[in-house]
Amino acid sequence: DTAVSQTPKYLVTQMGNDKSIKCEQNLGHDTMYWYKQDSKKFLKIMFSYNNKELIINETVPNRFSPKSPDKAHLNLHINSLELGDSAVYFCASSQGTFNEKLFFGSGTQLSVL
Amino acid sequence: DQQVKQNSPSLSVQEGRISILNCDYTNSMFDYFLWYKKYPAEGPTFLISISSIKDKNEDGRFTVFLNKSAKHLSLHIVPSQPGDSAVYFCAQGAQKLVFGQGTRLTINP
Repeated sequence: DTAVSQTPKYLVTQMGNDKSIKCEQNLGHDTMYWYKQDSKKFLKIMFSYNNKELIINETVPNRFSPKSPDKAHLNLHINSLELGDSAVYFCASSQGTFNEKLFFGSGTQLSVL
Repeated sequence: DQQVKQNSPSLSVQEGRISILNCDYTNSMFDYFLWYKKYPAEGPTFLISISSIKDKNEDGRFTVFLNKSAKHLSLHIVPSQPGDSAVYFCAQGAQKLVFGQGTRLTINP
């Protein structure tokens, strides 16, 4: 059983479209995250939720909207996609919120044409 | 500001020898550090961690050293094996993990 699973693995879309990436964890963790790996390979945090509450919201365009229907799921919706949104998006989870080991999904490669 | 830097984008090591990956950080306020390993088309997987109450942590072939005065940590892999070929990220933790840009390690047979 995959601990942190995200779908789709690949997403190719046109500029201006709206798309969603889904993430689920079966580890019983309370905290979930979205990270973005850009073309320079940096992994940067975007959002973090703890028990469905938003606790970290980095400087991310408001075209990006996370949603956590329950603590096992954290989805990422992106409106009006731009070329610069092309990246690999990783979902992750951890037990708590401080000094925690993160468990990552396998990533979603988003390509905006 | 919290920054984590891995200044070597790549490293090539002979199988059986020691691999040493380095990482520097700027902010001493956060005292928990982790190393992750990443294969292509997979997510990063946790390897080993250390908190600032220690200066060394060992797990099998992997040892992490922390030099707080130099704001530097290193990961030693000995002996290196072909399956260790991957990208290695160091990260500094608090409420969020801040990652370095990774070092691609290649182990040559």
